[in-house]
Amino acid sequence: GQNIDQPTEMTATEGAIVQINCTYQTSGFNGLFWYQQHAGEAPTFLSYNVLDGLEEKGRFSSFLSRSKGYSYLLLKELQMKDSASYLCAFMDSNYQLIWGAGTKLIIKP
Amino acid sequence: EADIYQTPRYLVIGTGKKITLECSQTMGHDKMYWYQQDPGMELHLIHYSYGVNSTEKGDLSSESTVSRIRTEHFPLTLESARPSHTSQYLCASSSPKPVEETQYFGPGTRLLVL
Repeated sequence: GQNIDQPTEMTATEGAIVQINCTYQTSGFNGLFWYQQHAGEAPTFLSYNVLDGLEEKGRFSSFLSRSKGYSYLLLKELQMKDSASYLCAFMDSNYQLIWGAGTKLIIKP
Repeated sequence: EADIYQTPRYLVIGTGKKITLECSQTMGHDKMYWYQQDPGMELHLIHYSYGVNSTEKGDLSSESTVSRIRTEHFPLTLESARPSHTSQYLCASSSPKPVEETQYFGPGTRLLVL
């Protein structure tokens, strides 16, 4: 079957670094997405990984290990506006997105 | 980024009423999606479309129907609303940029069925 898992909630301090993990199981894989969703708003695209390794985009980086079914989102120099839920989703063999429940990130001053 | 519009943004309605949630996009995307999301929970795919005259059911059809007569318009209809339909409904369309199947979401409709 297919499943995807990420922590429910994390807390970090403004200016620090936080890593949000995501593990998945699937027989068909066409890449993994990370989205940011502020409370009461729609998700917005952050990153996409289809090959193993680290993709860096400003303060945000995303890593993928296909053999381990594992990805993480790394947020550096945390700002209060980074308080949001972070959703990981993988694209299955039918090019459908399978979504995790999201990790609520709380940033404290 | 895609421009996706949803109306209404908020709706309170009584049980048994028929409602249509509107979704329009102006980017000419072929693929469109409807999701249901409860607070703090994952997105559940209700319906999707590959293009005009194409509609498919997702994992959670939730007694709803969709139509795709025009590329830009993908309305969702609940024939008889129930309290269990109370949720947020998100419409999305997908673009091949920056990567294939990147989904762009509308602002959502928050539905409360009394």
